[in-house]
Amino acid sequence: NAGVTQTPKFQVLKTGQSMTLQCAQDMNHEYMSWYRQDPGMGLRLIHYSVGAGITDQGEVPNGYNVSRSTTEDFPLRLLSAAPSQTSVYFCASSFPGQGTSYEQYFGPGTRLTVT
Amino acid sequence: QQQVKQSPQSLIVQKGGISIINCAYENTAFDYFPWYQQFPGKGPALLIAIRPDVSEKKEGRFTISFNKSAKQFSLHIMDSQPGDSATYFCAASILTGANNLFFGTGTRLTVIP
Repeated sequence: NAGVTQTPKFQVLKTGQSMTLQCAQDMNHEYMSWYRQDPGMGLRLIHYSVGAGITDQGEVPNGYNVSRSTTEDFPLRLLSAAPSQTSVYFCASSFPGQGTSYEQYFGPGTRLTVT
Repeated sequence: QQQVKQSPQSLIVQKGGISIINCAYENTAFDYFPWYQQFPGKGPALLIAIRPDVSEKKEGRFTISFNKSAKQFSLHIMDSQPGDSATYFCAASILTGANNLFFGTGTRLTVIP
């Protein structure tokens, strides 16, 4: 199992550009989510999905879109990048209720810089 | 506002010493309290977690103490080792919901030989 994979690892964007951060998992997890990590602020939830075709907003959704057409993939789209979106982005997945494990598995992250 | 408050921001401990990181929460609906460990350039990884029906959980050198009435929980790392040097995050979630995690702001632990 590759677990949770994210691409790209690094990205530099200019203000106003758009891009998609990719996230995939091969564990057949129903639940997937996106977090951003900023210094001194921990990780904050952007969007999440409890299954294919179902998405919802987290704490900091503005400026981001998501979709979930398959169980495996959960891309995060930045429609018009802003310097405030400079951050490290983590994708996570879990299978709530499976046994007694509630563990969320995190990908290696995408470091995004918006100039 | 930060739903989970974590302290200290950084911690330096001698090898063999005890590292203690504290967290507090307000939302009494939280019923799952994990601790994540993150090494530089990596994603967070689950270290240990506790449910509110127990006051303590121990796994090897790592122990969570949980005080439901005070709405506080803490991570104790016994016999701290240089390999434990990492950033530690406490978190909380509601399992009957989507299990979305609310994270503390993190503690950077440095264990010096």
